[in-house]
Amino acid sequence: AQSVAQPEDQVNVAEGNPLTVKCTYSVSGNPYLFWYVQYPNRGLQFLLKYITGDNLVKGSYGFEAEFNKSQTSFHLKKPSALVSDSALYFCAVRPFEIGGKLIFGQGTELSVKP
Amino acid sequence: DTGVSQNPRHKITKRGQNVTFRCDPISEHNRLYWYRQTLGQGPEFLTYFQNEAQLEKSRLLSDRFSAERPKGSFSTLEIQRTEQGDSAMYLCASSLEGRRAVNSPLHFGNGTRLTVT
Repeated sequence: AQSVAQPEDQVNVAEGNPLTVKCTYSVSGNPYLFWYVQYPNRGLQFLLKYITGDNLVKGSYGFEAEFNKSQTSFHLKKPSALVSDSALYFCAVRPFEIGGKLIFGQGTELSVKP
Repeated sequence: DTGVSQNPRHKITKRGQNVTFRCDPISEHNRLYWYRQTLGQGPEFLTYFQNEAQLEKSRLLSDRFSAERPKGSFSTLEIQRTEQGDSAMYLCASSLEGRRAVNSPLHFGNGTRLTVT
């Protein structure tokens, strides 16, 4: 079955420190992976995606993600966290045919303290 | 690009009543998706359309739920005989897929929060 797992319900970091939000995936073919962010009472906002090519993907707001095929991981990273980065982060995989649904992980709550 | 619009933002209804939500996708997007999200969980896929054709429907979706996209533009999601377990945020998303847009991300609306009392 196609799925993603986010092993941490919550991640706490101090402002200015690097942050990592973890995601592992399980797919039967080539993985198409996405990261989204959600602020309270809002929809999800797209951050970045990996389809093919370079393992390090750069996205919005200074975020990047590293695709690691051997570890089946797609961790989200940022070199220097901001308080405004505090939100819910979701990893997602697109299974089967191109252009179909996304399957989301359960989410990780990121808290950045000043 | 005015984004994906969902109405209403909030809906409170009594158990057993029918409710209908509307989603207006980004105008040039040919795919439209419905998701449900409960507190502390990731969005759960319900169904999606390409133009007016409903291409996939979740097996978890009760037959009390029905979605339409009659002209390939806006979509409606109806829940009949609502139950307390239907209380959730209902999210709509759209994307453009085709030869010039492959593996596009989904663009989400702000959702409709349903409370069934």
